[in-house]
Amino acid sequence: QVQLQESGPGLVKPSETLSLTCAVSGDSISSGYYWGCIRQPPGKGLEWIGTIYHSGTTYYNPSLKSRLTMSVDTSKNQLSLRLGSVTAADTAVYYCVRYNNNWALDYWGQGTLVTVSS
Amino acid sequence: QSALTQPASVSGSPGQSITISCTGTSSDVGGYKYVSWYQQHPGKAPKLMIYDVSDRPSGVSNRFSASKSGNTASLTISGLQAADEADYYCSSYTSSSTLVLFGGGTKLTVL
Repeated sequence: QVQLQESGPGLVKPSETLSLTCAVSGDSISSGYYWGCIRQPPGKGLEWIGTIYHSGTTYYNPSLKSRLTMSVDTSKNQLSLRLGSVTAADTAVYYCVRYNNNWALDYWGQGTLVTVSS
Repeated sequence: QSALTQPASVSGSPGQSITISCTGTSSDVGGYKYVSWYQQHPGKAPKLMIYDVSDRPSGVSNRFSASKSGNTASLTISGLQAADEADYYCSSYTSSSTLVLFGGGTKLTVL
């Protein structure tokens, strides 16, 4: 059973950098699937953040691209997200996901709430 | 503003059927078979219910079915049950730089 576990700071100050780590178990992050992150502001819908392959190929949401970096650590079987210059608009539950071969998100982490506030 | 358009809410009585629409463009829903649907209960992570327009993952009830016509995809839930009350999101691959689009979500109320 594939499991994804997000680890985040909980609270980040405005203008600082949000760092999120997602540990993958039950599958290798090098197995040939794409991985990524989705977020959901409180009471709102889902927003695609970005997608990454184990080779390091990345696809970012254009609205976040200038502030976003995603990476994979194959030795630790985890992916990481860094979002800089955060504002209150970045407050959301952040989910890690796995894509099946046809761009459907077949596995989700439980999500971690990140609040941007001073 | 969401890239894919869904109704904000739908409702139905137990045992009835409901359909949720998801409208995009020829660059996403209309152009690819990569349309998926997700169910989200309050406080929980979304769950994949449909992929490749109409395929169900193992374990998903056959009361959930889906289809696509042109730029509009549809999710139908038959034999409504109280447990089906949730938010439903459609998603599509897109040829734009965005790669993945979501609908704004539809709140299903079982009366």
